[in-house]
Amino acid sequence: EVQLEESGGGLVQPGGSLRLSCVASGFTFSQHWMHWVRQTPGKGLVWVARVNHDGRSTSHVDSVKGRFTISRDNAKNTLYLQMNSLRVEDTAVYYCTRGQFSVDYWGQGTLVTVSS
Amino acid sequence: SSELTQPPSMSVSPGQTANITCSGDKLGDKYTSWHQQKPGQSPRVIIYQHVKRPSGIPDRFSGSNSGNTATLTISGTQPMDEADYHCQTWDSSTLDVVFGGGTKLTVL
Repeated sequence: EVQLEESGGGLVQPGGSLRLSCVASGFTFSQHWMHWVRQTPGKGLVWVARVNHDGRSTSHVDSVKGRFTISRDNAKNTLYLQMNSLRVEDTAVYYCTRGQFSVDYWGQGTLVTVSS
Repeated sequence: SSELTQPPSMSVSPGQTANITCSGDKLGDKYTSWHQQKPGQSPRVIIYQHVKRPSGIPDRFSGSNSGNTATLTISGTQPMDEADYHCQTWDSSTLDVVFGGGTKLTVL
């Protein structure tokens, strides 16, 4: 059974940093592209970042470029999102997802709250 | 980058058919997926590659795609189908994932 388990969310002040992690199981992690997707309460889904299967190719949505970095450790079956210079508007539930052109599995999400 | 447009909300009576649309430039040329999200839950994929259903998804859910519009059809809608539905594709130039704004389906 494919499982994606996020952790690392919490309350942080504006300008602060957090690192989200997502541990994958039930499939060969190193063979799949991975993404982070976020959702503000009551709003739609927004793609944040992606990494290809070997970690050599990444992409980030414009609103987080220069502040967030997606990465992965295939030896640990773990996906990361390093978030720096956090802003109030980054407050959201962050989901770890699998897939290249089609997202096919979702984690349960981890809540990030940026507030003073 | 690609943009996908969905109606924010729609309603359907139990037993009737719901058609939820998703519009985007040349959407028919790219794989489209549909994700269902119930309150307090993570999304789950119900349609991928335009028309395919993962195991465990009822066959009352179906997808179609033509031109610039993808459509999720729910036949014989049940009260348990009340949820938010999000379409998703990818940008062929950047390979980035793109989501529609989501449609809140009310069954009443």
